[in-house]
Amino acid sequence: QKEVEQNSGPLSVPEGAIASLNCTYSDRGSQSFFWYRQYSGKSPELIMFIYSNGDKEDGRFTAQLNKASQYVSLLIRDSQPSDSATYLCAVNMRSNTGKLIFGQGTTLQVKP
Amino acid sequence: GAGVSQTPSNKVTEKGKYVELRCDPISGHTALYWYRQSLGQGPEFLIYFQGTGAADDSGLPNDRFFAVRPEGSVSTLKIQRTERGDSAVYLCASSLTGNSADTQYFGPGTRLTVL
Repeated sequence: QKEVEQNSGPLSVPEGAIASLNCTYSDRGSQSFFWYRQYSGKSPELIMFIYSNGDKEDGRFTAQLNKASQYVSLLIRDSQPSDSATYLCAVNMRSNTGKLIFGQGTTLQVKP
Repeated sequence: GAGVSQTPSNKVTEKGKYVELRCDPISGHTALYWYRQSLGQGPEFLIYFQGTGAADDSGLPNDRFFAVRPEGSVSTLKIQRTERGDSAVYLCASSLTGNSADTQYFGPGTRLTVL
């Protein structure tokens, strides 16, 4: 079992729809959860982070965390073609280090 | 302000050669991380520095890989006797304090190709 798992996709949604990206993790003691966006040929850039159970909203993005189910998701509302990218879920599994474990990423395609 | 910078942006070398990859973190960031990313995969952790010391090097694949950060700023990742399997994009990131809640900011990466 991989430590952080994501469906590689591609996930295809029409412009204006909600895109839902999912991630599961193996270590129940994981502390912090991050979503990064990576455009082709570019480096990852942070979209959101979440530490507590529940939802966290930032503009069109909502991160959801359920520690009991070891599940974290990212919702993108009103998806735009410019949102087309690979979305990486990253988990910090220890409290005393910044080491991140990444999933393989989900490719999102937003079609005009 | 300037972000994380990495040099070179591309490096092509022959199997068995030695390479050095450089990372210049955001000014004032005490924590520095090296990851490598193969095509179609997420970044894979290699090593984490807190100041000058390697706080976690559990991701280094073998003793051909070594990294230093002598003055707590610039870091160099060194790979000896390169192998074709070392070909990947090597990403450097830095964060302000290195705790688990810190945001890591990534550099543009160095694409290493071993022929």
